[in-house]
Amino acid sequence: AQKITQTQPGMFVQEKEAVTLDCTYDTSDPSYGLFWYKQPSSGEMIFLIYQGSYDQQNATEGRYSLNFQKARKSANLVISASQLGDSAMYFCAMREPWMDSSYKLIFGSGTRLLVRP
Amino acid sequence: DTAVSQTPKYLVTQMGNDKSIKCEQNLGHDTMYWYKQDSKKFLKIMFSYNNKELIINETVPNRFSPKSPDKAHLNLHINSLELGDSAVYFCASSQGVAGGGETQYFGPGTRLLVL
Repeated sequence: AQKITQTQPGMFVQEKEAVTLDCTYDTSDPSYGLFWYKQPSSGEMIFLIYQGSYDQQNATEGRYSLNFQKARKSANLVISASQLGDSAMYFCAMREPWMDSSYKLIFGSGTRLLVRP
Repeated sequence: DTAVSQTPKYLVTQMGNDKSIKCEQNLGHDTMYWYKQDSKKFLKIMFSYNNKELIINETVPNRFSPKSPDKAHLNLHINSLELGDSAVYFCASSQGVAGGGETQYFGPGTRLLVL
């Protein structure tokens, strides 16, 4: 069965510094996708970044980058130049195999990030 | 111009009641989903619909019944509400196509509290 593990329940980072949130995954399917979502205290789920298993380069979106290490089965999120607004819960998720134009997202348990001024 | 919207945002009700949560997306996506987030923040899929057809149906009590009147709407009806149904329910949608169209975009969530 597919599995996502986030081992850091909580983290602190100083404003303007970079931070890495860890995510490891387990799957036997050669085709998969990895996602990161942000959930601020207001509760909504905000899509941040996506990495496909066949993508040659690590995904980047503004201050977010995904450090994809396929052999290690890790997909860590790197946030550069942290801002106070980055304080939130961050979820790593993996796409299960497609089922006729749908797929399940399997989520990790989340990491709560607090940015200190 | 909200992409995925849900109503209501908050729902407080008594045990045994029946309630519905509505979801609408204006992204032109073909596939919509319902997820449940429990009190420990764990997120799990419940259902998915593609173009009004039920595709994914997880092990969910049959008190939960999704309905999709058209591909832009997916509603969730819950009968005989129980205390354990208290959670945040998220609607999401995706294009339903691999290679760039697979990102799921979530609604703001509906916080259900059963007393």
